[in-house]
Amino acid sequence: SQQGEEDPQALSIQEGENATMNCSYKTSINNLQWYRQNSGRGLVHLILIRSNEREKHSGRLRVTLDTSKKSSSLLITASRAADTASYFCATGAIGSGNTGKLIFGQGTTLQVKP
Amino acid sequence: NAGVTQTPKFQVLKTGQSMTLQCAQDMNHNSMYWYRQDPGMGLRLIYYSASEGTTDKGEVPNGYNVSRLNKREFSLRLESAAPSQTSVYFCASPRGVRNTEAFFGQGTRLTVV
Repeated sequence: SQQGEEDPQALSIQEGENATMNCSYKTSINNLQWYRQNSGRGLVHLILIRSNEREKHSGRLRVTLDTSKKSSSLLITASRAADTASYFCATGAIGSGNTGKLIFGQGTTLQVKP
Repeated sequence: NAGVTQTPKFQVLKTGQSMTLQCAQDMNHNSMYWYRQDPGMGLRLIYYSASEGTTDKGEVPNGYNVSRLNKREFSLRLESAAPSQTSVYFCASPRGVRNTEAFFGQGTRLTVV
């Protein structure tokens, strides 16, 4: 089964509102990353949080990480219609030689209505 | 600087046919990955290569083979395509030994009829 499980699977909000997505994972990790995918395109890296960090900000993005609960959240503040996309968490699992696999969750589809 | 380049973008195969998906990266990364994406399933790891000369199975390797031809190129082969392999395939190349940021190709949309 996949390492990352995301919640909710789909989210629909009005422009200007905040969007929160959650990710849970199963094994020990080096880092956790969030990616965005526009329809029909490849994924684009948004932000990375290391296992020894608890919170990180980048523009309108805020990521938290709770390693005791094996969970992370992505908050997009003041959402825009252009934020409409699918969002995925990915975990850099600890493996032999520190070259663990990069495993993705199932994603959250966000729709921001103008 | 193209990043990660995948070919072809689209392909239709008949059941039992074979094909190879090509992937090349120009970022001098050690790692390269192949994922498949199906509706509601997210991205599932097929195979990955942590460095030139090594390959490892991911979550769903059955029905696929890979070749890490050199540091730049990582190909995915379907020897006998099945309808269950209809999917969108993505090649990715993470940065660094801790996979800190993955760069993705544009994807190959494969239909097996």
